[in-house]
This record gives sequence, structure tokens and C-alpha cells, in this order.
Amino acid sequence: SQKIEQNSEALNIQEGKTATLTCNYTNYSPAYLQWYRQDPGRGPVFLLLIRENEKEKRKERLKVTFDTTLKQSLFHITASQPADSATYLCALPANFGNEKLTFGTGTRLTIIP
Amino acid sequence: DGGITQSPKYLFRKEGQNVTLSCEQNLNHDAMYWYRQDPGQGLRLIYYSQIVNDFQKGDIAEGYSVSREKKESFPLTVTSAQKNPTAFYLCASSTLGQIEAFFGQGTRLTVV
Repeated sequence: SQKIEQNSEALNIQEGKTATLTCNYTNYSPAYLQWYRQDPGRGPVFLLLIRENEKEKRKERLKVTFDTTLKQSLFHITASQPADSATYLCALPANFGNEKLTFGTGTRLTIIP
Repeated sequence: DGGITQSPKYLFRKEGQNVTLSCEQNLNHDAMYWYRQDPGQGLRLIYYSQIVNDFQKGDIAEGYSVSREKKESFPLTVTSAQKNPTAFYLCASSTLGQIEAFFGQGTRLTVV
């Protein structure tokens, strides 16, 4: 089954800068990859999905890229704000053709005013 | 409002007791899932169900049981066989294919 690595446990970024989070996977290339935001003590909230045939996806200040050669997705938050501080999780299908999601451990992002 | 509701938010269990966590959704989703979250370990799948009266074990099903008697309900029982039940439990639902999962607010279970 897939193993997911998110680049760092914690990331501190100055307000206004771009935050970049990394998600690497080890096995087959999934049909899609998802990003979620989780605030302390709450359930994750879906942000973006990118499919294997898409190189990039944008939603407001968020941008996700998907490189199946590198087996990597990058998640960018531009013009970061303190309200963006949260843990960000990437998720993808556990096995080829499987509908179960497997999640990374997450990166805790702190935007410093 | 459509959504997924977990209750209670906090639950305390004495050792040796079974406890049941509630999960209800009114999104008309076929699939429902239970995850466990421990610090530094991400979400791990306990059980999932894609249709009423059917469910499958996830990666860490030992010591847990579920039922799916109604489409909108997927309760999780943490049995006394679960050796380390203290954790944050998350229920999710989705359409088949799990393109986007909707999560409840979680139940924090503590063994006292």
C-alpha cells in the first residue's frame, strides 16, 4: 500500500510570504491526490483535489501541483495570513483501484505576523 | 444544514468498559468511514462501509466493531479488547469513490 511523507512536521512562515508544503508518495501513481486543512481539535476539511492528468490546480490563494515522475505534490499558499495557520494533510487512494484514502501525518503551518 | 455529526465531543471510559461513538450524516452519502488520530501518526482507518448492512476492516480494526443498519448512521464501538483506546476518533462520509471526504468534528476518547 501507499506510504506518504509530508516534508516536515512544522513550518513557520512570515505573513505575506508563500508557504510551500510537500507531499511525497512511494508506490504507484494515484488517480488523484487531495489536500485537507485541520484545525486543532476539529475534523479535517477538504481543500483541493488534483488528478493525475493535471499538472496544477488553483483555488483563490491556494495552488497544488502534481508531478507523477517525482511522485510528489506541492501545496502553496500565497500571500499567507495568520488565519492560514493549521495542519495540512495530503491524502490519496490506499491501493491501486482502491477507494480507501490514506493520509499523511500532516504539516503544522504557523504564519507569523 | 447538510453535514456529519459526531457525538459526544468528549468521552471518558473506565478500563474494561465498551463505549459507543455516534456518527450520523444527512448528506445521502453511501460510504462512511472511521479513523483514529494519534499525535504524530496521521489518520488511520479503522472500518469503512460502502452500503447498508456491509462493512470492511481497515488497517487497525482489532478491538473495534461497527454496524451499518441505516444509510445515515455508522456507530463505532470501542471494546475492552482495544488495548490503547485513548485517541481522537473521526468519522467521515463520501460518495462512492471517496473523491471528497466530509469529516465530523471528532470525539476525543480518554480511558480513566
